[in-house]
Amino acid sequence: AIQLTQSPSSLSASVGDRVTIACRASQGISSALAWYQQKPGKAPKLLIYDASSLESGVPSRFSGSGSGTDFTLTISSLQPEDFATYYCQQFNSSPPTFGGGTKVEI
Amino acid sequence: EVQLLESGGGLVQPGGGSLRLSCAASGFTFSNYAMSWVRQAPGKGLEWVSTITGSGYSTFYADSVKGRFTISRDNSKNTLYLQMNSLRAGDTAVYYCTKYKSRAILDYWGQGTLVTVSS
Repeated sequence: AIQLTQSPSSLSASVGDRVTIACRASQGISSALAWYQQKPGKAPKLLIYDASSLESGVPSRFSGSGSGTDFTLTISSLQPEDFATYYCQQFNSSPPTFGGGTKVEI
Repeated sequence: EVQLLESGGGLVQPGGGSLRLSCAASGFTFSNYAMSWVRQAPGKGLEWVSTITGSGYSTFYADSVKGRFTISRDNSKNTLYLQMNSLRAGDTAVYYCTKYKSRAILDYWGQGTLVTVSS
């Protein structure tokens, strides 16, 4: 199975900061990567798919980039509601796998 | 509006315990979409469990549950199921019902149902 390594595992940031989260795949996955946001006690929410396509209704401050093995999720200006845990997921090959998560804290 | 509502979780003893999870779907043409179960152990990350195609003809399982769990669907009732047998402590998790956008992109998630395997 393809392994996804996220870094950092947690970070502290302030409202208005630019935040970048990395996801590295153990082998090439083309652009078959999605990003999810999860708040405590809630289900994950799809933010980005195909590495850089913004899901409908997701604010434009979220963006994704990368292909092959290295990917990035960027939040251009962190808002109070963005404090959450973020997961990457590959869907290039079965089984679909998730990264370990990055917790964004105040 | 797409809604996925899971039910059936609870406390079960390890070894021989069984549970059947259900997920009632609404707001989309259920039979047109593959569906999956994804679980999350307490304080841990996300783990894909199983997927079923829209027709129900093809199913896929994580190695950790293969032979113990069975995914199925009733398209006439817009309902997804997960039959879980021979439950172990390691199966303790919140189980989410998810809808495929396409491929394995999960665009809608239910609120989750907690399964606790403990004596």
